[in-house]
Amino acid sequence: GNSVTQMEGPVTLSEEAFLTINCTYTATGYPSLFWYVQYPGEGLQLLLKATKADDKGSNKGFEATYRKETTSFHLEKGSVQVSDSAVYFCALTPPYGAGGTSYGKLTFGQGTILTVHP
Amino acid sequence: NAGVTQTPKFQVLKTGQSMTLQCAQDMNHEYMSWYRQDPGMGLRLIHYSVGAGITDQGEVPNGYNVSRSTTEDFPLRLLSAAPSQTSVYFCASSRDRFHEQYFGPGTRLTVT
Repeated sequence: GNSVTQMEGPVTLSEEAFLTINCTYTATGYPSLFWYVQYPGEGLQLLLKATKADDKGSNKGFEATYRKETTSFHLEKGSVQVSDSAVYFCALTPPYGAGGTSYGKLTFGQGTILTVHP
Repeated sequence: NAGVTQTPKFQVLKTGQSMTLQCAQDMNHEYMSWYRQDPGMGLRLIHYSVGAGITDQGEVPNGYNVSRSTTEDFPLRLLSAAPSQTSVYFCASSRDRFHEQYFGPGTRLTVT
């Protein structure tokens, strides 16, 4: 079945540091890939997504590139802020055309807690 | 426009009790789903619905029932609560299964 593996956390950084959160996946074909963010006390919000190989998703200074050859979708940000402190989830959904109602059913990684200090 | 709302925010149950977690959305979304979030395991899909009157099971459906009598509401029922159902529950909705899912704020459930 499908699975998503994220790097072990938590991650603690100083403000303006470079951020990488690793994400690798196991799935058949070309799934769509997502990063969600959960701020304290809130539900998840979509941060960015990519739907085909070599696509780069970007939003709010965060980027992730869909790498089919390494089955990865690592999240990066060049300069983090205190306000980026949150839990980050990598997720996938089966490719469109996988059959039935598979597309739209999200499989999540375990989440990575990010804390940014001033 | 309230988005996705969930009630209650917190709930404590005793083993064997039943309850319903409420989820409502005001965006006229067809696709709705329930996830549970457990430490170190991310979110796992419990049940989902592609439209009123249509529901199906996700990855971890045992112990939970759902129904979808209206487009707006998608309640999750625990028939006989067990300590293993202690978790944070999130409801999500989207225009259809091909579009972004919007999550509610969650319900934290403790079963003693």
